[in-house]
Amino acid sequence: AQSVTQPDIHITVSEGASLELRCNYSYGATPYLFWYVQSPGQGLQLLLKYFSGDTLVQGIKGFEAEFKRSQSSFNLRKPSVHWSDAAEYFCAVGAAAGNKLTFGGGTRVLVKP
Amino acid sequence: GAVVSQHPSRVICKSGTSVKIECRSLDFQATTMFWYRQFPKQSLMLMATSNEGSKATYEQGVEKDKFLINHASLTLSTLTVTSAHPEDSSFYICSASHSGGLQETQYFGPGTRLLVL
Repeated sequence: AQSVTQPDIHITVSEGASLELRCNYSYGATPYLFWYVQSPGQGLQLLLKYFSGDTLVQGIKGFEAEFKRSQSSFNLRKPSVHWSDAAEYFCAVGAAAGNKLTFGGGTRVLVKP
Repeated sequence: GAVVSQHPSRVICKSGTSVKIECRSLDFQATTMFWYRQFPKQSLMLMATSNEGSKATYEQGVEKDKFLINHASLTLSTLTVTSAHPEDSSFYICSASHSGGLQETQYFGPGTRLLVL
């Protein structure tokens, strides 16, 4: 069975500092990996996705993620966070882009001024 | 990009009543839609997969008689929570799969917050 682990429940970062959110997955085949962001009371917005090819993926809002098969990881990074980046971030895995997704528990990011 | 809407965005109902939530793909046809539930401060859990013109596939532990799913057209899926109880209060989010070009993409709706009193 597939699973996703986000080890950090909360992360607090100062505005302008770098951010890295961890994601580890368990999947029997080549995974489709996603990062979504959710603002309070809102739906999900896709930040980026990885299917194949270059293991460093660029997304929206200045985010990037690196797929490391050997570590079963897909960590999300941003070089310099903005106050508007405060939100809940979810990593997800699926068999294909249009298939059902398994989500990690989420990481809540707080941004200090 | 593709847009998925949900209606209503919020609903409050009395215990024992039924509530219907609509999920629409506004500018594309979706043969498959998914329904997720999210409890406060928790992650999204898949409830069921909805395929146009066929019965939904429910995840283990989800009561199919309580959460009725209908996917009558390529742009609309509905989730009906029957005989709702306070423990059904949650944030319900749908998503729709869109096949465009070489890649299939999944788009999420804005969610429906259900409060059962």
